[in-house]
Amino acid sequence: DGGITQSPKYLFRKEGQNVTLSCEQNLNHDAMYWYRQDPGQGLRLIYYSQIVNDFQKGDIAEGYSVSREKKESFPLTVTSAQKNPTAFYLCASSISKGNGVGEQYFGPGTRLTVT
Amino acid sequence: RKEVEQDPGPFNVPEGATVAFNCTYSNSASQSFFWYRQDCRKEPKLLMSVYSSGNEDGRFTAQLNRASQYISLLIRDSKLSDSATYLCVVNKGFGGGADGLTFGKGTHLIIQP
Repeated sequence: DGGITQSPKYLFRKEGQNVTLSCEQNLNHDAMYWYRQDPGQGLRLIYYSQIVNDFQKGDIAEGYSVSREKKESFPLTVTSAQKNPTAFYLCASSISKGNGVGEQYFGPGTRLTVT
Repeated sequence: RKEVEQDPGPFNVPEGATVAFNCTYSNSASQSFFWYRQDCRKEPKLLMSVYSSGNEDGRFTAQLNRASQYISLLIRDSKLSDSATYLCVVNKGFGGGADGLTFGKGTHLIIQP
């Protein structure tokens, strides 16, 4: 069964702690993305990666970091520098290589709550 | 004009009715257009791509008007299960790179029995 998995579904952390969100895909997609969604807001791009060992900042990268050591995996770390980390985090992948025109497919998301 | 703009709704529609909503986009160089559906507290799921000639998938019809820079989604014979938020998604233009999709905030549709 091909798809994108994210874990955990719900995550609770204390302020000041770093936390890493997992994203794995077995669709053989080259490009992967991280978005955050806040209530009543559209999706905002955090980071994206077109190929292994390469990634670029999106619109709201401050306070986040990523790695892309394997094609299948694109973990996101929410650092203590992120001012408002509580949000719904969505990982996506697409078959397109850097032309921005392909459909993106999403994982089920991780709801992060920081108190 | 915002990059991608949608009427947030909610649209309250009786079951069996036809409903349509539009989305406007600001970048005339945009080439790729999609409608996604998002259920409450779930991830967005691709509903359909929107082609220049328009396209239909069962009860759903999507159309593109490049001159006026809008795309539309028509749902016929609406079902209770169509209740969701519909996201308009547009790429940022030719050569926009892999970060090239812009998501609208969505139109909330409620189908009433």
